[in-house]
Amino acid sequence: GAVVSQHPSRVICKSGTSVKIECRSLDFQATTMFWYRQFPKQSLMLMATSNEGSKATYEQGVEKDKFLINHASLTLSTLTVTSAHPEDSSFYICSAAAVMNTEAFFGQGTRLTVV
Amino acid sequence: SQQGEEDPQALSIQEGENATMNCSYKTSINNLQWYRQNSGRGLVHLILIRSNEREKHSGRLRVTLDTSKKSSSLLITASRAADTASYFCATGTSGSRLTFGEGTQLTVNP
Repeated sequence: GAVVSQHPSRVICKSGTSVKIECRSLDFQATTMFWYRQFPKQSLMLMATSNEGSKATYEQGVEKDKFLINHASLTLSTLTVTSAHPEDSSFYICSAAAVMNTEAFFGQGTRLTVV
Repeated sequence: SQQGEEDPQALSIQEGENATMNCSYKTSINNLQWYRQNSGRGLVHLILIRSNEREKHSGRLRVTLDTSKKSSSLLITASRAADTASYFCATGTSGSRLTFGEGTQLTVNP
């Protein structure tokens, strides 16, 4: 299957700082990428959908100014958590699809801890 | 409540027994997928069943889909301790966008 790489796998940052998470499709071009968040012992919740070259579409309740998404190329999308706070500590996971309406492949996730 | 509700929330069985997890959803779907997640890790894709399919097999996994009842089940036969994980169903309505269920925590005791 297709490979999606997420980096870093773990990050610890201080409250008030920003953290960038990368999601790369290694062997295919991803026109659409999705970002999910998972709090401990909970399910995955979709945060936003990003299409290459256009602005991301955010789910209701997700602050677009806090979670900046950039999908500047067909193989890379980034999620920046700005001014992180302890409540932003979570598991962030991306998925990528070659074209809309096809199977999306998941990255291995990023464990963010804000102290 | 969200699309993709699962039951049971937690299931504990002995090695060798079968494990059945159920998933219900609310809207029309294109496909339904099952994933496994080991504690603190990423997702492992198990199986995808399309809305026009009723049953699918993959090794020790058997998935059924009943679109009239908007429900699906995942059966793991002859379970092993290594099957211990959280299992999520995810429904695909709009292409590659997925909505995940609450998940079932399966514990297989050796």
